[in-house]
Amino acid sequence: GAGVSQSPRYKVTKRGQDVALRCDPISGHVSLYWYRQALGQGPEFLTYFNYEAQQDKSGLPNDRFSAERPEGSISTLTIQRTEQRDSAMYRCASSLHHRSLTSGVSYEQYFGPGTRLTVT
Amino acid sequence: TQLLEQSPQFLSIQEGENLTVYCNSSSVFSSLQWYRQEPGEGPVLLVTVVTGGEVKKLKRLTFQFGDARKDSSLHITAAQPGDTGLYLCAGGSGGSYIPTFGRGTSLIVHP
Repeated sequence: GAGVSQSPRYKVTKRGQDVALRCDPISGHVSLYWYRQALGQGPEFLTYFNYEAQQDKSGLPNDRFSAERPEGSISTLTIQRTEQRDSAMYRCASSLHHRSLTSGVSYEQYFGPGTRLTVT
Repeated sequence: TQLLEQSPQFLSIQEGENLTVYCNSSSVFSSLQWYRQEPGEGPVLLVTVVTGGEVKKLKRLTFQFGDARKDSSLHITAAQPGDTGLYLCAGGSGGSYIPTFGRGTSLIVHP
């Protein structure tokens, strides 16, 4: 079946421009996470959604970063007024289950191929 | 704050050698995942361990969860060049829906 897809795979933009990164999760996956990953390092959490609700955005670096998932499926991460320090690999991941904290949480995640953002 | 420390950070070995990588924390996790990430790709889930002391095998890979559910190890037998990649451990606990990722072990297996 289809995995997690992200678009574009590569984005080069000039400083000051806005960019929108798209994530299409596995069909039926309730949870969707956004990460930023430096080369050779583990993913750094940005934000996550259960269905269309943004549950935690504590990892977003500043208010230039925002994310939405209006219909509980596709998500968009938007970076306004990009700066060179925003250059990174942005990944999203989806997870099948969203369970209550009392019955257990599925932490298994399925990652997309990422969007390599370069701000010049 | 939960932290996962992975060691070693880098590993370069010859084909056929055995190796073990470690994932350690001072926190207890309800489950722990291992991922492998090949260059240019996203992390791919290998296994989840849930029970303290649990051992899971995936072909030449053996995963173990510590009795206290604070640490885990991944042992690879007779490594092959196709095992090259970044190995990540990630864990979660009932207090959060956000898994904690380690920084990874970068493995290169030379033919």
